Parts: sequence; structure tokens; C-alpha cells
Amino acid sequence: QKEVEQNSGPLSVPEGAIASLNCTYSDRGSQSFFWYRQYSGKSPELIMSIYSNGDKEDGRFTAQLNKASQYVSLLIRDSQPSDSATYLCAVAYSGAGSYQLTFGKGTKLSVIP
Amino acid sequence: DAGVTQSPTHLIKTRGQHVTLRCSPISGHKSVSWYQQVLGQGPQFIFQYYEKEERGRGNFPDRFSARQFPNYSSELNVNALLLGDSALYLCASVISYNSPLHFGNGTRLTVT
Repeated sequence: QKEVEQNSGPLSVPEGAIASLNCTYSDRGSQSFFWYRQYSGKSPELIMSIYSNGDKEDGRFTAQLNKASQYVSLLIRDSQPSDSATYLCAVAYSGAGSYQLTFGKGTKLSVIP
Repeated sequence: DAGVTQSPTHLIKTRGQHVTLRCSPISGHKSVSWYQQVLGQGPQFIFQYYEKEERGRGNFPDRFSARQFPNYSSELNVNALLLGDSALYLCASVISYNSPLHFGNGTRLTVT
């Protein structure tokens, strides 16, 4: 059973602070990891992809991957009210010709002005 | 370029009815996947199709079926609808394995 675990939150941070979102996964063979943002009533939109151990930065977002600990995180610097959304961690699994993502339940982030 | 398009946007059906949801992938994407998202949960994998062949199936009953057409568009069919089928149904396409999925806007299905 491939599992992805996230703290459901809600996580509340003041505007301008750093928001830290965490995710653990069960399958050591996983190679691709994604963070999606989902506003209420909308579909998920991709924020970050990460494939190698270490940090990957894109603007105010930094994804961190530690395959040995089976841990993925997302840092949002200078948080804005517009960052308030649910953040979904997704782990890719491929095998026998199939490709699918397993998602966590998501962490709801509220940025307080 | 157009993203993944889904239709209809919203749908209300009665228990026991049948529903067909449609999806067109991003141009050049040959793989289409379907996910179900119930309130408060992450998306759950239903099907993946690549080059018109089913490549993967999630833990869903046989009431759920899908197909992919020569132009790579796809349909998801659900028979004998149950109240528990009420959810956001997401279609996604991908350019290659290990790449991120690109989701459409989804179809909100309500079963009464």
C-alpha cells in the first residue's frame, strides 16, 4: 500500500512569515515528487517538482527532498494572503506500464493579513 | 496553448443513473488519467490510458469504466450511481512518465 502522509492543518501563519509544509511517503522506490496548490472549489495546480535529494528553489517556494528519510517539504517565504489554499503532496509511481500519482490529504494553509 | 479541458463543469444526477464525463488532453500529450476527489481528501487514482490502452486502474468498482479515443481524448463512465460517487472528477494529462500531471478544471458531480 503506497501511502503519502501530510498534516491536515489548518496551518496559520502571519503575512510575511515562512510557511513550512511537510510530507512523508512509504515507497522507497519513488523517484518523482510534486507539490500542488488547490484553491477551494478549484482543481490542483502544480507549484514544484523535485526529483533529487536536496533543495530546489523557485521564487518564494523551496522544495526539499530527503529520500533516505522518505520526506518532502515545501517552504513558502514571505507568505501572502493569496497563498491561502490547500497544498497537496504527490508521489509518482510507475511500473508495469502504468504511471500514477498518490496524493496526501493536503494541508490547509491560512495566511493572516 | 489550451490546457486540459473537461466537460461538463457541473452535473446533478439521481442514484442509479449513468454519467459520462469527457476530457481533452493538452496537445501532444498521449496519456490521460482520471482521479476522484471527495471533500477533504486528496485526489484518488481511477484510471490511466496511454495510446488508447488502459495502463492502470485504481481501487474502484466495475461500475467505473473509461476509454481513450484516437485523438487522445477520453471518457469516464460511471454506472448505477451511488450517493458516495458525489465528488470532483479530475482529468489529467502528462507528456512523459515521471513528469507532473496537468489537471483540467474538473467536473463536480452531485448524486441525489
